[in-house]
Amino acid sequence: EPEVTQTPSHQVTQMGQEVILRCVPISNHLYFYWYRQILGQKVEFLVSFYNNEISEKSEIFDDQFSVERPDGSNFTLKIRSTKLEDSAMYFCASSEMFRGQYFGPGTRLTVT
Amino acid sequence: GIQVEQSPPDLILQEGANSTLRCNFSDSVNNLQWFHQNPWGQLINLFYIPSGTKQNGRLSATTVATERYSLLYISSSQTTDSGVYFCAVEHLNSGYALNFGKGTSLLVTP
Repeated sequence: EPEVTQTPSHQVTQMGQEVILRCVPISNHLYFYWYRQILGQKVEFLVSFYNNEISEKSEIFDDQFSVERPDGSNFTLKIRSTKLEDSAMYFCASSEMFRGQYFGPGTRLTVT
Repeated sequence: GIQVEQSPPDLILQEGANSTLRCNFSDSVNNLQWFHQNPWGQLINLFYIPSGTKQNGRLSATTVATERYSLLYISSSQTTDSGVYFCAVEHLNSGYALNFGKGTSLLVTP
């Protein structure tokens, strides 16, 4: 069964550094998403992406965040200058229309 | 925004027992999904169920969209069912973002 994949599985970075989290969505899906989960809390929506542009974003997704689909398969989330409070599990998801979202295994980001 | 309330927040079962998890939501939805987050943090897609009833093995789910709730049934629970169960909804006319509840933390003991 096709899966969403994410790399790396764990990233440790220092405050102020830039990080790029990578995702390969399921190949025939057209909608892509990023979510995050701070330890012990619920999953929160960050951004959705369709037809090479952002279709929706939450208040969390401020100017420090950006997303890109650099080629036909990858979907990336960049955090320009990481803060301690960016430490979380970041999930990528993809979907077809009206079929539900499928989540990747997540990247655990630790900012020190 | 839409509110998603899950109950109970915590549940302890003995292996073999049955359980029902509930998800209430405050407005009309396009989509409702149930997920299982395993001890490794992975979110496993259980059901896409904006309405009606579905079954998959020992798990089944029912969504009554007109009354704004969904139920997840786990029968003959096993220790591998342990983890957190999340309900997530996509608000009607509000894009594609999934709004998650706080989850039900389930522990199945031998």
